Amino acid sequence: GAVVSQHPSRVICKSGTSVKIECRSLDFQATTMFWYRQFPKQSLMLMATSNEGSKATYEQGVEKDKFLINHASLTLSTLTVTSAHPEDSSFYICSAGTSGLETQYFGPGTRLLVL
Amino acid sequence: AQSVTQLDSQVPVFEEAPVELRCNYSSSVSVYLFWYVQYPNQGLQLLLKYLSGSTLVKGINGFEAEFNKSQTSFHLRKPSVHISDTAEYFCAVSVRVSKLSFGAGTTVTVRA
Repeated sequence: GAVVSQHPSRVICKSGTSVKIECRSLDFQATTMFWYRQFPKQSLMLMATSNEGSKATYEQGVEKDKFLINHASLTLSTLTVTSAHPEDSSFYICSAGTSGLETQYFGPGTRLLVL
Repeated sequence: AQSVTQLDSQVPVFEEAPVELRCNYSSSVSVYLFWYVQYPNQGLQLLLKYLSGSTLVKGINGFEAEFNKSQTSFHLRKPSVHISDTAEYFCAVSVRVSKLSFGAGTTVTVRA
């Protein structure tokens, strides 16, 4: 149980385009989903926390207009990188948790490369 | 706020030898503690977690960790490693299902 999927696993796009990454909890309802960013050989940095049906809470320094997060249902959250630039190239990982479930379960990650 | 310090950035170890990865945390409230493993180009997989109860926690793949409240530590151990244990290991702390604070990670390289 507690499986989280991400799609796509890898995406290459041109500078200036937008990219959408999906995060799904497959066998449980996730009241809270988290989006992380990981640079090579570094730890995970939390970008934002999203609760189903409400606006995401962004960490300091994360541009909410650039990284649009939508958590429309208890099983799906999306991260859209708008007007992507090469410096946005990174590994994006989502995780999901529920109230009463004191553990986050992580997706496999999405590798974004902006040319 | 809580924070995590992983004391070793890299740990080389020979196959079938024991390994210990050190993790210390700081927090003004009770926390939950986790160890995750990340294989190259993959997401994080939960190894084990401490929520309450017994301070010795057993996880998957033969790993175990011991919560020591007085020393604010949660060290991870495995008595005999395999080549397949080569990966990045992250210690993390959270309060309920809220922000996970990760350590910087420890790279374990197992050599034959």
